[in-house]
Amino acid sequence: KAGVTQTPRYLIKTRGQQVTLSCSPISGHRSVSWYQQTPGQGLQFLFEYFSETQRNKGNFPGRFSGRQFSNSRSEMNVSTLELGDSALYLCASSTRGQGSTDTQYFGPGTRLTVL
Amino acid sequence: SQQGEEDPQALSIQEGENATMNCSYKTSINNLQWYRQNSGRGLVHLILIRSNEREKHSGRLRVTLDTSKKSSSLLITASRAADTASYFCATDPHGGATNKLIFGTGTLLAVQP
Repeated sequence: KAGVTQTPRYLIKTRGQQVTLSCSPISGHRSVSWYQQTPGQGLQFLFEYFSETQRNKGNFPGRFSGRQFSNSRSEMNVSTLELGDSALYLCASSTRGQGSTDTQYFGPGTRLTVL
Repeated sequence: SQQGEEDPQALSIQEGENATMNCSYKTSINNLQWYRQNSGRGLVHLILIRSNEREKHSGRLRVTLDTSKKSSSLLITASRAADTASYFCATDPHGGATNKLIFGTGTLLAVQP
């Protein structure tokens, strides 16, 4: 099976702009989670989607949002970008909630730079 | 805030030596997972140990879990230069249907050839 894919891999934006990141989970996985990784805060949970519903949300401002489509692909959006949003955004998929493994499989990430 | 703390923060060893990394966490967990990350790339899942397990092996990896001390350790035996990476522990503190992992601060392992 193909792994988790994320697009784009690299992105440069300026303050105030908005950005949309995309994640395609492993085939058959219905749970998609998003994480932000920065040198200062480390890896932090953003939100999780399962069957098009947000099941859990981390402690991030409302500028961060996401959604999941019927084919389990997910997007996350960050509006009104700030310099501090520069980070590696990681997506993970799993079969959690489908009665099997708890393992989360991560994609290669999207490196967002805000200038 | 991060739940896990890992030590050491950085570790430098020679090829062939063993590397041990430790992780401590704060709340009850359903399971604990270890991941590897090569320089700014995605996370690679290494091993998952459930709260009712005490030790688990996978190839050159050995993971232990002590729920009474809320700690885990990852041992990499006979290390190779290719093991150079950051290693993170991640806990599943909910035990329910959601997938919120809480990551530790990570250990940067450098294996010198």
